[in-house]
Amino acid sequence: QQQVKQSPQSLIVQKGGISIINCAYENTAFDYFPWYQQFPGKGPALLIAIRPDVSEKKEGRFTISFNKSAKQFSLHIMDSQPGDSATYFCAATWSGNKLTFGGGTRVLVKP
Amino acid sequence: EPEVTQTPSHQVTQMGQEVILRCVPISNHLYFYWYRQILGQKVEFLVSFYNNEISEKSEIFDDQFSVERPDGSNFTLKIRSTKLEDSAMYFCASRRDRGYEQYFGPGTRLTVT
Repeated sequence: QQQVKQSPQSLIVQKGGISIINCAYENTAFDYFPWYQQFPGKGPALLIAIRPDVSEKKEGRFTISFNKSAKQFSLHIMDSQPGDSATYFCAATWSGNKLTFGGGTRVLVKP
Repeated sequence: EPEVTQTPSHQVTQMGQEVILRCVPISNHLYFYWYRQILGQKVEFLVSFYNNEISEKSEIFDDQFSVERPDGSNFTLKIRSTKLEDSAMYFCASRRDRGYEQYFGPGTRLTVT
């Protein structure tokens, strides 16, 4: 019940295209859903996050869509750039406790 | 902008040896965490620490692991007798009292030979 399932495992998108990564969770106690971006050999960097009382949050080219009834949330990267090539992890937590991470999506943006 | 720092960046040790991984969390943060990531896999929670005591630990965090905040700035993870399967990236994270955002350090790559 603590799992967060993430798909796809990898994604190739052309420069300027849209990258979409999906996550699903089971635990309805989760109340905070962040996305992290990780470059090789680096630590995860907080990218954007959402709470379940909001259906969408946008920051620049990054948008989270949240569907509470389906227990799913997704990250959309608009106008994808080669510099966005990284591994993206969704995560979930309740009350600021431990983060439960999804399996990660490796995104490659081709110029 | 304040950052979580970790030392060393890479530690090589022999099986059975003790290692101490060090972290300096962001200065006004009160909650501290250790996570690990085996190569190519997802990030896994190890332990959380608040008010000088462990608040939660995972099944991975067995008796071989311990954490300590020896002073007002450092937060350490000790592995008493390393095993080959302890080879991973270890990340420290911290968050402030209000807010759920956890900020990660750059990690320590631990290689057990």
